[in-house]
Amino acid sequence: GAGVSQTPSNKVTEKGKYVELRCDPISGHTALYWYRQSLGQGPEFLIYFQGTGAADDSGLPNDRFFAVRPEGSVSTLKIQRTERGDSAVYLCASRLTGTGRGQPQHFGDGTRLSIL
Amino acid sequence: QKEVEQNSGPLSVPEGAIASLNCTYSDRVSQSFFWYRQYSGKSPELIMSIYSNGDKEDGRFTAQLNKASQYVSLLIRDSQPSDSATYLCAVNPLKGGSEKLVFGKGTKLTVNP
Repeated sequence: GAGVSQTPSNKVTEKGKYVELRCDPISGHTALYWYRQSLGQGPEFLIYFQGTGAADDSGLPNDRFFAVRPEGSVSTLKIQRTERGDSAVYLCASRLTGTGRGQPQHFGDGTRLSIL
Repeated sequence: QKEVEQNSGPLSVPEGAIASLNCTYSDRVSQSFFWYRQYSGKSPELIMSIYSNGDKEDGRFTAQLNKASQYVSLLIRDSQPSDSATYLCAVNPLKGGSEKLVFGKGTKLTVNP
């Protein structure tokens, strides 16, 4: 497909478990973002990749959260020792860069993470 | 003060009316502003982007930006029931070169047939 693809669409796991969430951006988009959205709130920034490197990880809440993008395309968000407060929709977005100011971010459908 | 503030609503308008959605932001150096529409259980979808003071029109949608007042608005003319959704205001604060977006909480709009 032409859009941002996220898998799985839903993930239910027990407190303390490890989870990985995957994002496949739009082809050719070098910028990739992870956001987290809780019920009734707007998306909250977690981390931004430009190519393979994390250019801004200031939104990661603590060291249980980590993200990689080893080949500059697919990204994986990893959460260790999950807590019930991690339950949210995790959104991935990608953006075309190098073509002018303010290219918009395009979002995937998200992964709904539920920690029991 | 939150970085991006919106009235959470809900905002209810009759079909055919103009819906007016408002947003204020705190970081004066912000340069890029976006309105996203989010249907329940779905991902945000870009509706409008605006970068310069004034109005920008696209079909039934008009975005208005006033950087001096740090204010962005979205007008929806001839509102339709299919416009019922949560509208998110997003700002790129340009801190440290990051291209992240800072979102408001969103305004829930209901258009009544």
